[in-house]
Amino acid sequence: GQSLEQPSEVTAVEGAIVQINCTYQTSGFYGLSWYQQHDGGAPTFLSYNALDGLEETGRFSSFLSRSDSYGYLLLQELQMKDSASYFCAVISDYKLSFGAGTTVTVRA
Amino acid sequence: DTEVTQTPKHLVMGMTNKKSLKCEQHMGHRAMYWYKQKAKKPPELMFVYSYEKLSINESVPSRFSPECPNSSLLNLHLHALQPEDSALYLCASSHPIDTYEQYFGPGTRLTVT
Repeated sequence: GQSLEQPSEVTAVEGAIVQINCTYQTSGFYGLSWYQQHDGGAPTFLSYNALDGLEETGRFSSFLSRSDSYGYLLLQELQMKDSASYFCAVISDYKLSFGAGTTVTVRA
Repeated sequence: DTEVTQTPKHLVMGMTNKKSLKCEQHMGHRAMYWYKQKAKKPPELMFVYSYEKLSINESVPSRFSPECPNSSLLNLHLHALQPEDSALYLCASSHPIDTYEQYFGPGTRLTVT
């Protein structure tokens, strides 16, 4: 089976930087994805890392270390609209398995 | 068009009712998924269809019956549900080899009374 750990909540002010860590244990690992879900909304794909290193997409970046079974999502220049739940998800056996999610609250 | 649509948005049904949830995508994706999501929890995979064939069933009770009539449509037939089945049911699609990037629909909020 799969096991993913990420913090349950993070609070930060507008303009700040937030890092959401994700550690995983899984067999047949192919990569790590990140999804954002606003309250009442659908999960939206943010990023994917199959290889070690940093992937940057605008204000969001994602990092993977396969040897450490660890990744993180970095949210820069936080905006109020970034208040949402963020899920890391591992891909194995053609399935996505999600972590419990991190609720990010952005304060003015 | 990068949209996955789901109907209905809300559904209230009794434990003896039969109802169906519908999902549609026109992105040419050949993998489609059903997830169940409880409040403050992550989505849980229920079923995966690949090229209109059921490829994964995550030991879902038989009161949930999926159907993929064609490459654009996915249904979830519901019968004799329990109150604990109340949840948000999400449909998603992707290219079969791009499982990591799934496009989710807005979901159907199901309440079983």
